[in-house]
Amino acid sequence: EVVLTQSPGTLSLSPGERATLSCRASQRVATSYIAWFQQKPGQAPRVLIYGSSYRASGTPDRFSGGGSGTDFTLTISGLEPEDFAVYFCQYYGSSPITFGAGTKVEIK
Amino acid sequence: QVRLQESGPGLVKPSGTLSLTCAVSGGSIIANNWWSWVRQTPGKGLEWIGEIFHGGSTNYNPSLQSRVTISLDMSKNQFSLNLTSVTAADTAVYYCATGGIRGRPGDWGQGTLVTVSS
Repeated sequence: EVVLTQSPGTLSLSPGERATLSCRASQRVATSYIAWFQQKPGQAPRVLIYGSSYRASGTPDRFSGGGSGTDFTLTISGLEPEDFAVYFCQYYGSSPITFGAGTKVEIK
Repeated sequence: QVRLQESGPGLVKPSGTLSLTCAVSGGSIIANNWWSWVRQTPGKGLEWIGEIFHGGSTNYNPSLQSRVTISLDMSKNQFSLNLTSVTAADTAVYYCATGGIRGRPGDWGQGTLVTVSS
């Protein structure tokens, strides 16, 4: 099982600032199978990025994903008010599919 | 973009069976390859339960495999989850979703809270 460790647990930033979220896998994984989700209170997670760097339909271009091997990142180039939420990474390359514990991006 | 809607009892007794259905609209269940169930708790976070392919084959999380069955009903354009011998630890928000193992993650239902309690 691939264990995903996200850091930091909470990121306190102001609107307009750049956010960099980290997701570390317990073993080398194929970049093709890392996804990032956004979840707001009371809502289901929504996929932002799949295949490590491909934006899902409707994902603004201020969101970008990257990384390889065991280290992956989600970058938000300039935080908008609607971006303050919890973000999860996911590995879907083998069974079981696993998720990180999440990073909360909060308003500073 | 398909729409997914979970339905089923919100309360299940301990040792009973949790049964949920996911209705698919805006697309055919045989047009997408992977259909998954995921649950979320404050303590354990997001946990993938399993998946079913449009052809009917399944993959389950090893941690739940002995208790889980996922099935497909093409005539109703829906798929279902059965989880047996439930305990309080199975209390969670349950989501159905598109995507699965090596399948691009996609749309999720709004989720349904299931509480296991007597």
